[in-house]
Amino acid sequence: DVKVTQSSRYLVKRTGEKVFLECVQDMDHENMFWYRQDPGLGLRLIYFSYDVKMKEKGDIPEGYSVSREKKERFSLILESASTNQTSMYLCASSLGSTRREKLFFGSGTQLSVL
Amino acid sequence: QKEVEQDPGPLSVPEGAIVSLNCTYSNSAFQYFMWYRQYSRKGPELLMYTYSSGNKEDGRFTAQVDKSSKYISLFIRDSQPSDSATYLCAMTTDSWGKLQFGAGTQVVVTP
Repeated sequence: DVKVTQSSRYLVKRTGEKVFLECVQDMDHENMFWYRQDPGLGLRLIYFSYDVKMKEKGDIPEGYSVSREKKERFSLILESASTNQTSMYLCASSLGSTRREKLFFGSGTQLSVL
Repeated sequence: QKEVEQDPGPLSVPEGAIVSLNCTYSNSAFQYFMWYRQYSRKGPELLMYTYSSGNKEDGRFTAQVDKSSKYISLFIRDSQPSDSATYLCAMTTDSWGKLQFGAGTQVVVTP
C-alpha cells in the first residue's frame, strides 16, 4: 500500500515563526501536492511538484514556499507564520505517468498559529 | 463565489437508507468529477470518478454527472454505520492533482 507520512499530527507555533511541514511518500511517486483544509472551504491547493527540484504554485500560494530536494520528500514552509494560516495541512502524492492518477493523502498536520 | 458548492450537512440517516449527496459547480471546463471519502482524523481517499457526463456504479455507490445542469450526485444504497464519514466532491479540467473541492458533507449513519 502507498504510504504518505506527515511528520507531525499536531503543531503549535507562534506568529512570525518559520514553520516546516514535512511529507514523505514511499512508493516512488513523481507528483506531490500540498493542500490545506478549512471548515466550509474544503481543500485548496497550495503548491505542487511534478518532479524533483520542480515546483508550481497552486490556487493559494501566498505566504508559503516548498522544497523538493529528493523524490520522496516534499516540504511546505511558512516563512513567517500568521494566525490565518491555522489550518489542517494535507500532503498527497500520485504516480505521475499521465497526471490522471488518483491522489494518496497523508493523515494531515493540524497547525495552530497563536 | 466558490467554483464548487456542497452542502456541509450534517446528514443523518438510519442504517439501510439511501444517502443522496450532491454538488453544483460553475466552471463548464471541468471534465473529471470525483468523490472522496474522509474518515475522522484521516486523509481523503478516492471513492469514485466519472469522466464527462453519465452514470457510474460501483457496488453500493452510484455517481452521476449532469454537465448541462453543472450538477453531480453520489448515492449510497443500503447505507451502513461504516459509511459515516465526510464526503467531498472534487473536479478538474485535466490534472487529477489540481482539484477543486467542495466543502464536504458530513454523513452519519445510525444503527
